[in-house]
Amino acid sequence: DSGVTQTPKHLITATGQRVTLRCSPRSGDLSVYWYQQSLDQGLQFLIQYYNGEERAKGNILERFSAQQFPDLHSELNLSSLELGDSALYFCASSVGSSGTPLHFGNGTRLTVT
Amino acid sequence: GIQVEQSPPDLILQEGANSTLRCNFSDSVNNLQWFHQNPWGQLINLFYIPSGTKQNGRLSATTVATERYSLLYISSSQTTDSGVYFCAAPNYGGSQGNLIFGKGTKLSVKP
Repeated sequence: DSGVTQTPKHLITATGQRVTLRCSPRSGDLSVYWYQQSLDQGLQFLIQYYNGEERAKGNILERFSAQQFPDLHSELNLSSLELGDSALYFCASSVGSSGTPLHFGNGTRLTVT
Repeated sequence: GIQVEQSPPDLILQEGANSTLRCNFSDSVNNLQWFHQNPWGQLINLFYIPSGTKQNGRLSATTVATERYSLLYISSSQTTDSGVYFCAAPNYGGSQGNLIFGKGTKLSVKP
């Protein structure tokens, strides 16, 4: 058990809908990362927060947004969902803002029908 | 940004065999991490290895940062070693915490 908690484990929704994925980092970790894993794109970095502030941005679509709350949990909001958004979404956490090991949650499998 | 390449893409082993997985990266890095994604999809951090060699049971990893590669050794492989092995390196020299992942090596260990 990595100590990173993601909910829900599975999510099935229709095109055009909006969903929220939740992540609680390991105790003591200040950084939260979101990654998307799809068959054709592999593991893609979306966004990083460190102690409540956005730290780095990757290939995150404008339809997607995220935030990290004062208790350090994070939420990833996906809106106007398309079939191509179906993927495994991972959250990871680390102690520092850079140069420290990442630990991943078990992921949320999103299926858009 | 940094490019991370892994080889081989696929590997089939008989239980008990040894193997070496390779990871090449295009820029200088201040750390390199290896992960195992098991058949249930869980991503487990195996090694955080900026340079040198580390060992954890039957697994060991070596990073030669000056030559921009890292190796993961699996000895006496077991069926539970099956899955995909990823290496990942930080972007922009490590100024950011996020990691760029290679495409992975898919390992199948047969009994």
